[in-house]
Amino acid sequence: DQQVKQNSPSLSVQEGRISILNCDYTNSMFDYFLWYKKYPAEGPTFLISISSIKDKNEDGRFTVFLNKSAKHLSLHIVPSQPGDSAVYFCAASAGAGGSNYKLTFGKGTLLTVNP
Amino acid sequence: DVKVTQSSRYLVKRTGEKVFLECVQDMDHENMFWYRQDPGLGLRLIYFSYDVKMKEKGDIPEGYSVSREKKERFSLILESASTNQTSMYLCASSLYGEQYFGPGTRLTVT
Repeated sequence: DQQVKQNSPSLSVQEGRISILNCDYTNSMFDYFLWYKKYPAEGPTFLISISSIKDKNEDGRFTVFLNKSAKHLSLHIVPSQPGDSAVYFCAASAGAGGSNYKLTFGKGTLLTVNP
Repeated sequence: DVKVTQSSRYLVKRTGEKVFLECVQDMDHENMFWYRQDPGLGLRLIYFSYDVKMKEKGDIPEGYSVSREKKERFSLILESASTNQTSMYLCASSLYGEQYFGPGTRLTVT
């Protein structure tokens, strides 16, 4: 049973426009959410996170929105740049301590930003 | 900056060989993780450890074992490699929620 779902395997946008990547989750115990970016042949790199006590977190061109009632989060990239082309993974965790530091990842969305 | 290193970037092994993948982190993190990444399947957790000599199975532990004798080092062992273990293997470490990943090892089993 997939607890973190990224329903769009791929997304293509024009340079300068907004990219919106979506993620849904089913486990109501999840209270911390993260986005990672991954280039081919490299490890994922942390992008931005949000705690369940917030509904928005912003870092430069990247904003994450959390809708707890809908169990949905989204990553907005504005403006999109060709260097943003990568696979984006959504991840979630349930609380702190011991094995709860475990992250559950979605399957990823391949973002292509066209010049 | 946190640094997570993995012993090899690329590895080719034969079916039935015993394979060791090593991971070292330099930030005194309590937690360490091994994942594999396959196309269309995302990152799947194989094993993790939240303390020296402690380990817990992840979602796909079959065919793998791990060792954590020192805090900074977490090893993944394939006791008898099989072709279905051809994959990208990623190690990560963390103190709290955010995990820091190594560059990955692309393992091919022929």
